[in-house]
Amino acid sequence: KAGVTQTPRYLIKTRGQQVTLSCSPISGHRSVSWYQQTPGQGLQFLFEYFSETQRNKGNFPGRFSGRQFSNSRSEMNVSTLELGDSALYLCASSPSGSYNEQFFGPGTRLTVL
Amino acid sequence: AQSVSQHNHHVILSEAASLELGCNYSYGGTVNLFWYVQYPGQHLQLLLKYFSGDPLVKGIKGFEAEFIKSKFSFNLRKPSVQWSDTAEYFCAVNALRDDKIIFGKGTRLHILP
Repeated sequence: KAGVTQTPRYLIKTRGQQVTLSCSPISGHRSVSWYQQTPGQGLQFLFEYFSETQRNKGNFPGRFSGRQFSNSRSEMNVSTLELGDSALYLCASSPSGSYNEQFFGPGTRLTVL
Repeated sequence: AQSVSQHNHHVILSEAASLELGCNYSYGGTVNLFWYVQYPGQHLQLLLKYFSGDPLVKGIKGFEAEFIKSKFSFNLRKPSVQWSDTAEYFCAVNALRDDKIIFGKGTRLHILP
């Protein structure tokens, strides 16, 4: 079974731009969660989608948004990028949600210049 | 505010030494608890989890963790570490009432051969 895939793996943007990251979960998994990982803050929960609905959201500004499609693939969008948005963005999929048995992808390394 | 503390940021041990990594959380309600591991160059993966029942849980690769409710702790242990245990370890707490998940900032474990 293929694992969680994330594209692109690396991205360089400048301040003020926007970016869209993509995540394809393991086949059959209906829950997708997104996390931001930085050296100072560790892993911070962004949001979780289950069957195309956002079920939960962390404490991030509205510039961070996401969606999930009917095939469970998910996208995350960050608008008006700031230097502090530079991070590794991880996606995790789970069969049923509730953070049980999350399988993580390799992440997208975003650098904002 | 809910938080998860991993007291040891960086631990260095020799092979065959015993390991205990601390994890404490601040949340008074029912929780699910997790330890994740990230080996160099690999994805985050689940090491073990506690949902209910026996507070001593066993995970992969000889790891175990004990949930002590009165101390709000979920410490990770291994009686004899190997060089291949070199990795970063993350404790995570899922507070069921509001269905949030919070990760600790991680502990980098370095095993000397």
